[in-house]
Amino acid sequence: DIQMTQSPSSVSASVGDRVTITCRASQGINSWLAWYQQKPGKAPNLLIYAASSLQSGVPSRFSGSGSGTDFTLTISSLQPEDSATYYCQQANSFPLTFGGGTKVEIK
Amino acid sequence: QVQLVESGGGVVQPGGSLRLSCAASGFTFSNFAMHWVRQAPGKGLEWVAFIRYDGRSQDYADSLKGRLTISRDNSKNTLYLQMNSLRAEDTAVYYCAKASTTGYRTFDYWGQGTLVTVSS
Repeated sequence: DIQMTQSPSSVSASVGDRVTITCRASQGINSWLAWYQQKPGKAPNLLIYAASSLQSGVPSRFSGSGSGTDFTLTISSLQPEDSATYYCQQANSFPLTFGGGTKVEIK
Repeated sequence: QVQLVESGGGVVQPGGSLRLSCAASGFTFSNFAMHWVRQAPGKGLEWVAFIRYDGRSQDYADSLKGRLTISRDNSKNTLYLQMNSLRAEDTAVYYCAKASTTGYRTFDYWGQGTLVTVSS
């Protein structure tokens, strides 16, 4: 199975800050990576697919990059509504696996 | 708009069985693969099962193989998950998720989830 490791596990930042979350795969997954945002008590929401493609309707302050084993999700200017937990997910092969999550809090 | 509505969750004793359903609307159900993903209380996301658009192929998380069966009825626009020999560690919110238009191993819409509690 492909293991997905996210860091940090949590981050606290101010409105307007740039926030970067990293995700590392235990083996190469090309660009088969997605990022999801989950708010408390809600279902996850797809933000980024294919490592760097923005899902329709997602604000442009979210961006993704990387390929192979190392990936990043960047929020260019943190907004209050971005307070949530973010998960990466490898879409390269079954079984599909998620990172452990990164909780983003607003200072 | 796309809607996925899960049902069938509840409290079940260890060793018991439960069948979850997911009613889909707002898209051509028979054209898309579907998945189940679960989340234990306070924990992260765990992929559970996949079924191809026509129901002819399935895949499961290794830890759950043999205890779960994913199925679908395209005439009813409904996805199912039969869960047997349930254990305390199966306690979780179970989400159905639609495979993305850009790749069947990514999820672009999710239901609100249904809670399964395994407890005596």
